[in-house]
Amino acid sequence: GAVVSQHPSWVICKSGTSVKIECRSLDFQATTMFWYRQFPKQSLMLMATSNEGSKATYEQGVEKDKFLINHASLTLSTLTVTSAHPEDSSFYICSARVGTGGLFGPGTRLTVL
Amino acid sequence: QKEVEQNSGPLSVPEGAIASLNCTYSDRVSQSFFWYRQYSGKSPELIMSIYSNGDKEDGRFTAQLNKASQYVSLLIRDSQPSDSATYLCAVNLYSSASKIIFGSGTRLSIRP
Repeated sequence: GAVVSQHPSWVICKSGTSVKIECRSLDFQATTMFWYRQFPKQSLMLMATSNEGSKATYEQGVEKDKFLINHASLTLSTLTVTSAHPEDSSFYICSARVGTGGLFGPGTRLTVL
Repeated sequence: QKEVEQNSGPLSVPEGAIASLNCTYSDRVSQSFFWYRQYSGKSPELIMSIYSNGDKEDGRFTAQLNKASQYVSLLIRDSQPSDSATYLCAVNLYSSASKIIFGSGTRLSIRP
């Protein structure tokens, strides 16, 4: 069946470095993918909507130059956290649009030291 | 006003009882509504989707939608300890370029 994978599942990096997170749709094509961020004990906050072949649409307050999203193919979207800082430490989850809903990946836990 | 609102809980229900979770939304033109379950440290998993007014049943779960009142609920019958999780209400906001927005979630605890 349809599955969304994310890689890596967790990452620890030093402050100032960049981290790339991959989101892949397996056995189906995803024209639209969503990127969410979740801080401890909080809900999912939509960061951006990624459409294959076009620029991502960012939510208010999300810096597009800091969170670079590339949706180069129908099965792959990437989120790059540039110059990461400790406050960027969070659980990042992608979701592929399926019908009018979303199928979630397992998430990537980012810790910035 | 938040786009999707839920009581944060925690909601404590005895095993075998019915758990009732509620959600309201602000966008009148929204057409698609979802309930997700999220265990601690994991990503959300879809439990139910509902698109029409009324009830939709799937096993022990029943979703209820009232578009006039902008209200959607989830009932869990015969609650089990494994149902203890955070339940997230999500709405596909058609008036906002069709994006899926989540409520803050309700933490449900089933006590043996």
